[in-house]
Amino acid sequence: DAKTTQPTSMDCAEGRAANLPCNHSTISGNEYVYWYRQIHSQGPQYIIHGLKNNETNEMASLIITEDRKSSTLILPHATLRDTAVYYCIVRVGSTLGRLYFGRGTQLTVWP
Amino acid sequence: NAGVTQTPKFRVLKTGQSMTLLCAQDMNHEYMYWYRQDPGMGLRLIHYSVGEGTTAKGEVPDGYNVSRLKKQNFLLGLESAAPSQTSVYFCASSYVGRGFSPLHFGNGTRLTVT
Repeated sequence: DAKTTQPTSMDCAEGRAANLPCNHSTISGNEYVYWYRQIHSQGPQYIIHGLKNNETNEMASLIITEDRKSSTLILPHATLRDTAVYYCIVRVGSTLGRLYFGRGTQLTVWP
Repeated sequence: NAGVTQTPKFRVLKTGQSMTLLCAQDMNHEYMYWYRQDPGMGLRLIHYSVGEGTTAKGEVPDGYNVSRLKKQNFLLGLESAAPSQTSVYFCASSYVGRGFSPLHFGNGTRLTVT
């Protein structure tokens, strides 16, 4: 599985967009990009995933560069409840839960 | 619909003691997984199961055993606890089928081995 690189921490003002970057320069053609987050003391929560097209759901948008070597998770209007560790994961399909979570990005949303 | 439920939420063990962590899911998912999370280490897969009666090793299986006697339950056992097994343990489940299935996680069991 391709490894990912994320900043250790970021912060964002409440109500503003939070843009979380992820580098995955060794990604292969059949690997998806997944994003999960973990709010303190809770289990990880699935946010969004994509292969090569940009994706949007009720929680966030995922922008994947044309060469697929990096992506950005966008929380359009961050709230205090979005404060969490965000994990970018690259994996083939969705098989068997063998997702390498790494250390993620600690996002802190300020009032 | 409770999702994934883990019991107990907290436990303190002495070195050498044994215990079983229980994971139950009510979503009729085929796949279930056990992870451990240590500070600065992200989540590491211990064991997983692709169906009732089947289990397989993950990244860090040593010192743990698992059983999946019923589809909805996945048990993680520590036969002789060691301080290195102090961690937060997460259970997760997912379904098998067309399309993508995200992992659904429980809220963890915090285990301290003294």
